[in-house]
Amino acid sequence: AQSVTQLGSHVSVSEGALVLLRCNYSSSVPPYLFWYVQYPNQGLQLLLKYTSAATLVKGINGFEAEFKKSETSFHLTKPSAHMSDAAEYFCAVSGRYNQGGKLIFGQGTELSVKP
Amino acid sequence: GAGVSQSPSNKVTEKGKDVELRCDPISGHTALYWYRQSLGQGLEFLIYFQGNSAPDKSGLPSDRFSAERTGGSVSTLTIQRTQQEDSAVYLCASSLQDSLLKPDTDTQYFGPGTRLTVL
Repeated sequence: AQSVTQLGSHVSVSEGALVLLRCNYSSSVPPYLFWYVQYPNQGLQLLLKYTSAATLVKGINGFEAEFKKSETSFHLTKPSAHMSDAAEYFCAVSGRYNQGGKLIFGQGTELSVKP
Repeated sequence: GAGVSQSPSNKVTEKGKDVELRCDPISGHTALYWYRQSLGQGLEFLIYFQGNSAPDKSGLPSDRFSAERTGGSVSTLTIQRTQQEDSAVYLCASSLQDSLLKPDTDTQYFGPGTRLTVL
């Protein structure tokens, strides 16, 4: 079985500050891990993904995440927050497509950026 | 190229009515997923189609929910006898899922969703 836990339903940072959104996963198979972002009234957009290559994954808009197997974590970071980063962020886990590629999502973290 | 499209973007219906939601996946994508996003339950998997295989229906919440995918492309999610708890945003996603391990094969691309309100 697979599951995802996102710590903190709401995170607030100041513009220019470090963004850290936490995600821990549980998976009985080698996981694929994803971060998606959702802007108000829009669908989900892929930020980055881990698929068993490099453990440090760089995504769009300056975000990156590090897969740490020992900690079963896949935290999302960005060195300097921008006002446009305000959105909801979802961490998700899946198996390979031939293991059933459906995504299991965390509950989401809403990021607010203060000027 | 064109992304995943869904229609309608908004649907308001009365309790007890049937509704049909449509998804057009990215051309060439063999896998198609339906998810539901609601305030109480977050993002939940509903159903998954992969090529000609039998769909994975394990996420459908009740037998009032069904989906089909015609010709390996367009999919329709049908909710019969709608209830107020069915109110949610229904999201569709597609992925390439090519067995030749092409880059990006497992990434799911999402449509904008259909917001369903059951009065």
